[in-house]
Amino acid sequence: GQQVMQIPQYQHVQEGEDFTTYCNSSTTLSNIQWYKQRPGGHPVFLIQLVKSGEVKKQKRLTFQFGEAKKNSSLHITATQTTDVGTYFCAVADGGSYIPTFGRGTSLIVHP
Amino acid sequence: DVKVTQSSRYLVKRTGEKVFLECVQDMDHENMFWYRQDPGLGLRLIYFSYDVKMKEKGDIPEGYSVSREKKERFSLILESASTNQTSMYLCASSRTMGAGQPQHFGDGTRLSIL
Repeated sequence: GQQVMQIPQYQHVQEGEDFTTYCNSSTTLSNIQWYKQRPGGHPVFLIQLVKSGEVKKQKRLTFQFGEAKKNSSLHITATQTTDVGTYFCAVADGGSYIPTFGRGTSLIVHP
Repeated sequence: DVKVTQSSRYLVKRTGEKVFLECVQDMDHENMFWYRQDPGLGLRLIYFSYDVKMKEKGDIPEGYSVSREKKERFSLILESASTNQTSMYLCASSRTMGAGQPQHFGDGTRLSIL
């Protein structure tokens, strides 16, 4: 499968601090999806990015697709304990119709 | 809402046994997937199917096989279970072919091989 790197692997924050996870690919992507998995739960689709430089927002979450379509970020403003979980990116290039998942970033929020 | 149902949340089997994990989706999705999830390794694709009786290998198919006799059901088979197959197994489905389709996951089966 396609190579995708997601960093950091873990992130501890105090409630109210911001959080960012990054997803990087060595090849140009056709699209990227983001998923959230709560502890003990299953991954749930959050959003998909398709266009170069695209920015989408969902309340305190901001998703960005790089201009070169090789990387993406998920930023959470003012984290809450409900944000706890593992965030995965899933990427596809033009040659694949099945996305490849990153290893995920586990977010731990301390009250 | 899409519902993906996996037959067991927890399963304990013995080395050498043949193990069946079942998955059913209720939204007439064309694509179905089996992943295993291990700490620090994320989701790794075992097999997927894009139509009845059609299957393709994912990244880690060794030691596994699959069956899709009906559109709504996708089974993962461990031919002869080994301890290194102890893991969380996740089934997913998506509406059609194409990487742009979001995947809908089941709750997972935590499988322990003793």
